[in-house]
Amino acid sequence: EAQVTQNPRYLITVTGKKLTVTCSQNMNHEYMSWYRQDPGLGLRQIYYSMNVEVTDKGDVPEGYKVSRKEKRNFPLILESPSPNQTSLYFCASSRRTGVLSNQPQHFGDGTRLSIL
Amino acid sequence: DQQVKQNSPSLSVQEGRISILNCDYTNSMFDYFLWYKKYPAEGPTFLISISSIKDKNEDGRFTVFLNKSAKHLSLHIVPSQPGDSAVYFCAASADSNQFYFGTGTSLTVIP
Repeated sequence: EAQVTQNPRYLITVTGKKLTVTCSQNMNHEYMSWYRQDPGLGLRQIYYSMNVEVTDKGDVPEGYKVSRKEKRNFPLILESPSPNQTSLYFCASSRRTGVLSNQPQHFGDGTRLSIL
Repeated sequence: DQQVKQNSPSLSVQEGRISILNCDYTNSMFDYFLWYKKYPAEGPTFLISISSIKDKNEDGRFTVFLNKSAKHLSLHIVPSQPGDSAVYFCAASADSNQFYFGTGTSLTVIP
């Protein structure tokens, strides 16, 4: 089954304790992206990756890191989490059909992070 | 600053009637627009898209209209069904890499 898998689905942690949210897709998609969803703000893009070893900032990259060492994986790293990073996070992937062209994104089911 | 806006947080419609969800944007460079549907505890799923070279795209019960001069798009669902009850997000992009989403409209279809 084609899917984007995020782990963990839920996490409660404390300020300053490094954490990683993993994202894996089995569709051989070139493009991957991370979003956060907050009430009244919709989804906001954190980082995206056009292909292996190619990453770039989205709208709200502060406090986050990513890496794309393999095509299927795109982990989101919070080096020193703070309470304002409490949010619902989504990973997404899509096929690229051209230099400036992607197919619609497939989303994971989300990771709810609570940082105390 | 929100570049994509959905000004109606919620909408209720009778089953069988038309649902119209609206979305406005500010960036004239956006050339690719999408609608996603989201159920609770799931990720958004793609519904329909439109590029700026078109003003209408239809897929079954779903039609998206784009008015570039007004920087406005709308999603029409006809006829609405109870299973359409969900949160709908519109999204826009200028380069197919960076995407901007609206805040969502919660649609309730009343049986």
